Amino acid sequence: DAGVIQSPRHEVTEMGQEVTLRCKPISGHNSLFWYRQTMMRGLELLIYFNNNVPIDDSGMPEDRFSAKMPNASFSTLKIQPSEPRDSAVYFCASSLTRTTGSGNTIYFGEGSWLTVV
Amino acid sequence: GNSVTQMEGPVTLSEEAFLTINCTYTATGYPSLFWYVQYPGEGLQLLLKATKADDKGSNKGFEATYRKETTSFHLEKGSVQVSDSAVYFCALSHNNAGNMLTFGGGTRLMVKP
Repeated sequence: DAGVIQSPRHEVTEMGQEVTLRCKPISGHNSLFWYRQTMMRGLELLIYFNNNVPIDDSGMPEDRFSAKMPNASFSTLKIQPSEPRDSAVYFCASSLTRTTGSGNTIYFGEGSWLTVV
Repeated sequence: GNSVTQMEGPVTLSEEAFLTINCTYTATGYPSLFWYVQYPGEGLQLLLKATKADDKGSNKGFEATYRKETTSFHLEKGSVQVSDSAVYFCALSHNNAGNMLTFGGGTRLMVKP
């Protein structure tokens, strides 16, 4: 089965440019997460969607960041304008969240490695 | 709120040594507990999980037991290999937080031949 698919795997861009990261969750999953990983801050949850609706975006650093999920099989994370401090690995993850219990496993993509120069 | 604390790394061991990575959590009720592993240049992969007290999760020679009385989920392996070198993350999920994962800071394991 295909896992969570992210693109691009690697991106180098200049400061001020727009960056769009893409994610295809596992088919049938109803929850989608965007995480950011840096050496300094570790893993940070940016935003969480359930049934395509943003549930918690409190981790989105600032207005330069936006995320959308137009349908169950696609999500984007956009940074505009990008800054060097946005350099990080951005992970998309998905899960099948059931209404009872808390043992849902979250599956991660391979990550998008972003460098802003 | 919910939180996870794990031992800071790096942990450096020789091949075939015994591994323990400590993990403790703070949460009300009965969260589910997870260990994820991240190999260099890759995303996080689920290693094992336990969903109720006294459950033992196991995979690839790794084990962890859900201890409610000590709020712990320590990761162990009897004999590590060089290929186990990676970063290990302890995490919990709870239905009081939308079943989102709360991660510990990660522990880097380096196994030398």
